[in-house]
Amino acid sequence: QKEVEQDPGPLSVPEGAIVSLNCTYSNSAFQYFMWYRQYSRKGPELLMYTYSSGNKEDGRFTAQVDKSSKYISLFIRDSQPSDSATYLCAMSDYYGGSQGNLIFGKGTKLSVKP
Amino acid sequence: EAQVTQNPRYLITVTGKKLTVTCSQNMNHEYMSWYRQDPGLGLRQIYYSMNVEVTDKGDVPEGYKVSRKEKRNFPLILESPSPNQTSLYFCASRIFASVGELFFGEGSRLTVL
Repeated sequence: QKEVEQDPGPLSVPEGAIVSLNCTYSNSAFQYFMWYRQYSRKGPELLMYTYSSGNKEDGRFTAQVDKSSKYISLFIRDSQPSDSATYLCAMSDYYGGSQGNLIFGKGTKLSVKP
Repeated sequence: EAQVTQNPRYLITVTGKKLTVTCSQNMNHEYMSWYRQDPGLGLRQIYYSMNVEVTDKGDVPEGYKVSRKEKRNFPLILESPSPNQTSLYFCASRIFASVGELFFGEGSRLTVL
């Protein structure tokens, strides 16, 4: 069983839709959870960061962590074509992770159609 | 502007021809790392450096070398590239290994024929 599982998609939605992106994980020691956004031909950039369980909201984006289920989600409200990108979840047992490393999901490719 | 700069962005080479991918950051970060990104495999760490002259292997170090002689630079060296090293490479940095956002470069797409 891989440490982090993420459906690669692709996921295609119409503009204005609510998007739900998810990751599951197996390591119960993970406490820090991140979502990165990667546009085509660009490097990943940090979108959201949460610690332990709970929700965090930033504009149209909401990150949820359910440690009991080992499940994290990213919701995008009122999705826009500019949200079209690959979204990678990442996590670690402490902020920097072992070796400063984060464990990444494989990424979900999202396309928002006008 | 705070950034991580990689060069070259695109490179096609042949098996066995040594190459170096440069990485430079202007944020005075102590921690730097190299990743490769492959379809179906995601991002995997190759090497990392906690500080100048301190480097260590990540999850997939075979066939790669690194050096950290200056704080801002962290080159990735492929002494004898092979086709299985065809990949998209990212350099990343953060202020310390355990603190701060991980900033990525824009990537270097390498093809080894």
